[in-house]
Amino acid sequence: DVKVTQSSRYLVKRTGEKVFLECVQDMDHENMFWYRQDPGLGLRLIYFSYDVKMKEKGDIPEGYSVSREKKERFSLILESASTNQTSMYLCASSLTSGSPYNEQFFGPGTRLTVL
Amino acid sequence: RKEVEQDPGPFNVPEGATVAFNCTYSNSASQSFFWYRQDCRKEPKLLMSVYSSGNEDGRFTAQLNRASQYISLLIRDSKLSDSATYLCVVNMRHGNKLVFGAGTILRVKS
Repeated sequence: DVKVTQSSRYLVKRTGEKVFLECVQDMDHENMFWYRQDPGLGLRLIYFSYDVKMKEKGDIPEGYSVSREKKERFSLILESASTNQTSMYLCASSLTSGSPYNEQFFGPGTRLTVL
Repeated sequence: RKEVEQDPGPFNVPEGATVAFNCTYSNSASQSFFWYRQDCRKEPKLLMSVYSSGNEDGRFTAQLNRASQYISLLIRDSKLSDSATYLCVVNMRHGNKLVFGAGTILRVKS
């Protein structure tokens, strides 16, 4: 079974703090993704990565950065947390193949509250 | 206009009922389509892919209408365990980037 793990289930931080969210997958997937999920808005893509040291902006990258130094690990960084970044953060991974039907496997999520 | 739109519900149905959800997408060049299921306080998981010819998996049937740009999910003989949020998901271009709808809430009651 594919397993995607995230470093914390719940996190409370203060405005202005630097926040690191870690994601690890154990199935040698090339692709990794960070989403945030908010009520009524669904999942929105923040950043994704197709390979080590490679990153691309998603739909809402402002206020975030990412790091992928190893294939299995994809980190999301909030340089200076703000209250509007309070959300559920979900990491996902998938294989690269010729098929457009690649399933994305999600981690359990990190519920971040910024006070 | 949102790229993927769904009726948020909730759909409240009795056990054994048949229920259908629709979802519309804006990009006619979209490549592939999915339904994911998300239980309360859990991560989304793939329920089924949606193929051009339509496909069925047990009590679940998914259909795609490219001309009208919508996909549907039909659940027959609803079970209590079907209660969840159903996410319509579209791959709008080559690659693995997916666009998620906000989800439709289904509540099956005894």
